[in-house]
Amino acid sequence: DVKVTQSSRYLVKRTGEKVFLECVQDMDHENMFWYRQDPGLGLRLIYFSYDVKMKEKGDIPEGYSVSREKKERFSLILESASTNQTSMYLCASSSPWEREGADTQYFGPGTRLTVL
Amino acid sequence: ELKVEQNPLFLSMQEGKNYTIYCNYSTTSDRLYWYRQDPGKSLESLFVLLSNGAVKQEGRLMASLDTKARLSTLHITAAVHDLSATYFCAVDNTGANSKLTFGKGITLSVRP
Repeated sequence: DVKVTQSSRYLVKRTGEKVFLECVQDMDHENMFWYRQDPGLGLRLIYFSYDVKMKEKGDIPEGYSVSREKKERFSLILESASTNQTSMYLCASSSPWEREGADTQYFGPGTRLTVL
Repeated sequence: ELKVEQNPLFLSMQEGKNYTIYCNYSTTSDRLYWYRQDPGKSLESLFVLLSNGAVKQEGRLMASLDTKARLSTLHITAAVHDLSATYFCAVDNTGANSKLTFGKGITLSVRP
């Protein structure tokens, strides 16, 4: 079974702090994604990566950066946390279409971040 | 820009009755995914529909895809409480590095 883990289930930070959210997958997936989920807004893509050291902006990248130094690990960084970044953050991974015949994304358990 | 719409956003269902929920999308794609999310939990893959006319069934849920109408339906047969959850559909931005665009989700609540 695919396993995607996230470093924390719950996190409380103060405004202005630098925040690191870690995601690790164990299925040798090339693609990794960071989303935030807010009530009434669904899932919004922040950044994604389709290879080590590669990254692309999603729909709402402002205020975030990412790092992918190893294939299995994708980190989301909030350089200076703000209260409007309080949200549920979900990491996902997938294999390329060419390998799996589908782009099914497998999700981690999520990190609920509160910024005070 | 690909847009994915789900309706209704909330549905209260009576146990034992049948219901259908819908997912519309705005541009051509023949890959659509359904996910389930229980309260406080993450998303779990339910169905993968990869061609026009595809139909998949799992227990009381049946999903189908009409790529010409850009529409997927999720049919619920004889609703039971265990089906209470939020259901998301997601459409593949074909050729865009495996990105999926998600709908806002439909929250189903099954009452006795």
